[in-house]
Amino acid sequence: GAVVSQHPSRVICKSGTSVKIECRSLDFQATTMFWYRQFPKKSLMLMATSNEGSKATYEQGVEKDKFLINHASLTLSTLTVTSAHPEDSSFYICSAAVSNTGELFFGEGSRLTVL
Amino acid sequence: KQEVTQIPAALSVPEGENLVLNCSFTDSAIYNLQWFRQDPGKGLTSLLLIQSSQREQTSGRLNASLDKSSGRSTLYIAASQPGDSATYLCAVPPTLSGSARQLTFGSGTQLTVLP
Repeated sequence: GAVVSQHPSRVICKSGTSVKIECRSLDFQATTMFWYRQFPKKSLMLMATSNEGSKATYEQGVEKDKFLINHASLTLSTLTVTSAHPEDSSFYICSAAVSNTGELFFGEGSRLTVL
Repeated sequence: KQEVTQIPAALSVPEGENLVLNCSFTDSAIYNLQWFRQDPGKGLTSLLLIQSSQREQTSGRLNASLDKSSGRSTLYIAASQPGDSATYLCAVPPTLSGSARQLTFGSGTQLTVLP
C-alpha cells in the first residue's frame, strides 16, 4: 500500500513553545490530507482537512490559531501546535487518500508531551 | 450524523481460534468501509477497503463483509496468532453527500490473542 510518513514520532516541549509536525506522502501525491487527534484508549477525532494550495478546513471546536496547518505541496502537510500547553499533549495522526480508490493511509503518529 | 459502533470493545482468545469483530453504522449511504489495525503508540495500518458495491474483501487470513442495508460489517480473522493482538478500527465516510475521505471511526475492538 501507499506510504505516509510522519515526523517526529515523539516530541517533548515546554509550555508556551510551538511544535511542528510533518506529514509526507512518500510514493503518491495527495491533494488532501487529514489531521486527527487521539486521546488514550479513544478513537480518532478529526481535527482538520488540509487542502494543497488553500486554507485548511477545521472541525467544529478546533482552534484555527492554535493548530496551524500548511499544505504547501502535493506531498507535504504540516501541523504546528502554537503556544503549546499541557492539555495539548496527545497523539496526533495524519492521513492521505489515494485518489483513485479513496483508500486512506495513515502516518505512524506523533506523540506530543507538553511539560 | 453518521455513528459507528464496534462490538465487543475488547476480546481475548487463545491462539488458533477463528474470530469475528463487528462494526455497525447508522447511515447506510456510504462510499466504502475500511478496516484498520492500530498497535499501541502507533498509527493506523489499512487492512481492507470494501467499496459500497462490494459485499466482501479478503486478504490472507482476513475477510471483511459489508451489508449496507443493515448497516453492518464484520471482520473475520482465521487461525488467530499472538501477532494479531492490536486494536481494530472500522471507519466509514459520513454520507454520500459528504467527503468520501472524512472518515467516522468506531471506538475499536482491542484484541488479545493468547499464546
